[in-house]
Amino acid sequence: KQEVTQIPAALSVPEGENLVLNCSFTDSAIYNLQWFRQDPGKGLTSLLLIQSSQREQTSGRLNASLDKSSGRSTLYIAASQPGDSATYFCAVGAGNNRKLIWGLGTSLAVNP
Amino acid sequence: DAGVIQSPRHEVTEMGQEVTLRCKPISGHDYLFWYRQTMMRGLELLIYFNNNVPIDDSGMPEDRFSAKMPNASFSTLKIQPSEPRDSAVYFCASRPSSTDTQYFGPGTRLTVL
Repeated sequence: KQEVTQIPAALSVPEGENLVLNCSFTDSAIYNLQWFRQDPGKGLTSLLLIQSSQREQTSGRLNASLDKSSGRSTLYIAASQPGDSATYFCAVGAGNNRKLIWGLGTSLAVNP
Repeated sequence: DAGVIQSPRHEVTEMGQEVTLRCKPISGHDYLFWYRQTMMRGLELLIYFNNNVPIDDSGMPEDRFSAKMPNASFSTLKIQPSEPRDSAVYFCASRPSSTDTQYFGPGTRLTVL
C-alpha cells in the first residue's frame, strides 16, 4: 500500500531564507508526483507536477525534484517571503486510475 | 474562468439531519473528485467521476454517504443521517483529461452538532 510522508510537519523560518520541504513515498511505481499549497481556510492550489519520467520541475522560486528509486521528492523554495506561508502538500499519482495519495502536509511560516 | 464552485461554504447541522453539498466543476473538465479533510486523517478521496460516471467510490466511509453527478456541470455529496464524526472540510476538485493537475474548490466546512 502506497504511503506518503512529509517531513517536517511544521517549519518556521526568517524571511529570505532558502528552504527545503521533504516528501517520501513507499512504492516507486508512480505516474507522477505533485506539490500543492493550501492557504488557511482555502482550497488547494497546484504548484508543480513532475511526471515519473522527469527529475525536476521549476516555477519561479520553486523547484521540485523527484527520485523515484529512493522514493523521495523535495520542494525547494528560494528566498522565502511571508507570502509563502501556507501548508504544502505532496501527493503521488499511483494505481490504474492514477488516484492521488496524499501526505499530511508541512505547515510553513515565513517570518518578516 | 470562475474555478470550481462549492456551496454552501459553511454548514452547521444537528446529528441525524440530511446534508447536501454541491459542486460545479470547471467547464470542460472530465473528472470530478470529492475529498474530505480532517486534522487527524488529512485529505481523503471519497469518490471520483469521469464523464459523469462514478469510477471509484472505495473511499466513501459508509452507506450514509452518497454522491451523484447528473450532468457535466453539477455534482452533489449527500450525508444522511449526519453524525458528529462527519464534521470536516469537504472539497470538490476537477481536472481535464489532458492533465493530471487537479483544481480545487474553496471547500465546505461542515459541523455536525
